[in-house]
Amino acid sequence: EVQLVESGGGLVKPGGSLRLSCAASGFTFSSYSMNWVRQAPGKGLEWVSSISSSSSYIYYADSVKGRFTISRDNAKNSLYLQMNSLRAEDTAVYYCARDHSSSWYPSNWFDPWGQGTLVTVSS
Amino acid sequence: SSELTQDPAVSVALGQTVRITCQGDSLRSYYASWYQQKPGQAPVLVIYGKNNRPSGIPDRFSGSSSGNTASLTITGAQAEDEADYYCNSRDSSGNHGVFGGGTKLTVL
Repeated sequence: EVQLVESGGGLVKPGGSLRLSCAASGFTFSSYSMNWVRQAPGKGLEWVSSISSSSSYIYYADSVKGRFTISRDNAKNSLYLQMNSLRAEDTAVYYCARDHSSSWYPSNWFDPWGQGTLVTVSS
Repeated sequence: SSELTQDPAVSVALGQTVRITCQGDSLRSYYASWYQQKPGQAPVLVIYGKNNRPSGIPDRFSGSSSGNTASLTITGAQAEDEADYYCNSRDSSGNHGVFGGGTKLTVL
């Protein structure tokens, strides 16, 4: 069974940092592009970042570029999101999502998704 | 433009057909994908590409596209289809993802 389990969320002050992790199992992690998508409380979905299977292609939403860094460790079947200079508007549930099909390039089709981890940025 | 526009809310009678639409310039170049999200749950992919359903998604869900508009059609809506639905595609650069604002579907 494919599983994605996020961790690392919590309460952080504005300007602070947090590192999210996503542990993957049940599939060949190194063959799939991976993604982060967030959802502010009561709001819609927002694409955050994507990374290709070999980390050759990395993309960020304009809202987080320069502050967030996506990375992966294929040996550990893990995806990460380093978040720096956090702002109140970064408060959201952060979902880790796999690409639907294995490919060298992100497909922008997210399947499946983890259950999410809540990040709250507040003083 | 990198925006995708959806109607905030749509309703359908039980067993009837409903179409949920998504508009945006990028849809002239890229297919939309569609996600179903029920309260307190993670989103689930229901349609991707031209009109593909992941394993386990009922065949009452279908997708189509014309010009700058993508559509998700549910033929014979069921009570369990009541949820928020989001479209997703790429922006004009082709490298960034973008979601629509979501449509809340009510099954009457």
